[in-house]
Amino acid sequence: NFMLTQPHSVSESPGKTVTISCTRSSGSIASNYVQWYQQRPGSAPTTVIYEDNQRPSGVPDRFSGSIDSSSNSASLTISGLKTEDEADYYCQSYDSSNHWVFGGGTKLTVL
Amino acid sequence: EVQLVESGGGLVQPGGSLRLSCAASGFTVSSNYMSWVRQAPGKGLEWVSVIYSGGSTYYADSVKGRFTISRDNSKNTLYLQMNSLRAEDTAVYYCARSRWIFGVAQPWGQGTLVTVSS
Repeated sequence: NFMLTQPHSVSESPGKTVTISCTRSSGSIASNYVQWYQQRPGSAPTTVIYEDNQRPSGVPDRFSGSIDSSSNSASLTISGLKTEDEADYYCQSYDSSNHWVFGGGTKLTVL
Repeated sequence: EVQLVESGGGLVQPGGSLRLSCAASGFTVSSNYMSWVRQAPGKGLEWVSVIYSGGSTYYADSVKGRFTISRDNSKNTLYLQMNSLRAEDTAVYYCARSRWIFGVAQPWGQGTLVTVSS
């Protein structure tokens, strides 16, 4: 099976743009959809991106997702950062049996 | 409103059993793909199990043979029966809905804490 590797933490200032990467260890990142989840402290995860780059209703367009086959990675980009964006972010894809595989999570600090 | 509410968590001794429930409202459990995901204290998310709309069930290797996922259509509720519990099963357990195998996971329940300790 493969692993999804995320940076442990990232930080950026309000109003700026931040990108969180998710690198697949083996197999093509493009072979299965990637989802992104936001988890604020003490709360359940919520989906911010599904099917690589789709936003569920209610998620602001400041959130965007992409796939880069050259680096075999997915990325979550948040523009116009707000303090409310401070949270843990997890990427997730599917293994050969179509079961969920999570990245280790990235703590976003907005300072 | 589409909602999931978990219950059934608590403190249990190693080797014991517990059954978690995930009550759904606003949609039909049996028509969706329903998953259990857990999060150990201070750790990341780990997929545990899924039941497909057609009834097929799958498990992570870490729980295979010990946990059983099921649903009660009359109660519109998802379950996770956990047997032979170990300290490493200590976690918050979340249920989540997807409309198809690769569909967006939405909603998620609020989670229920399972603590395995003597």
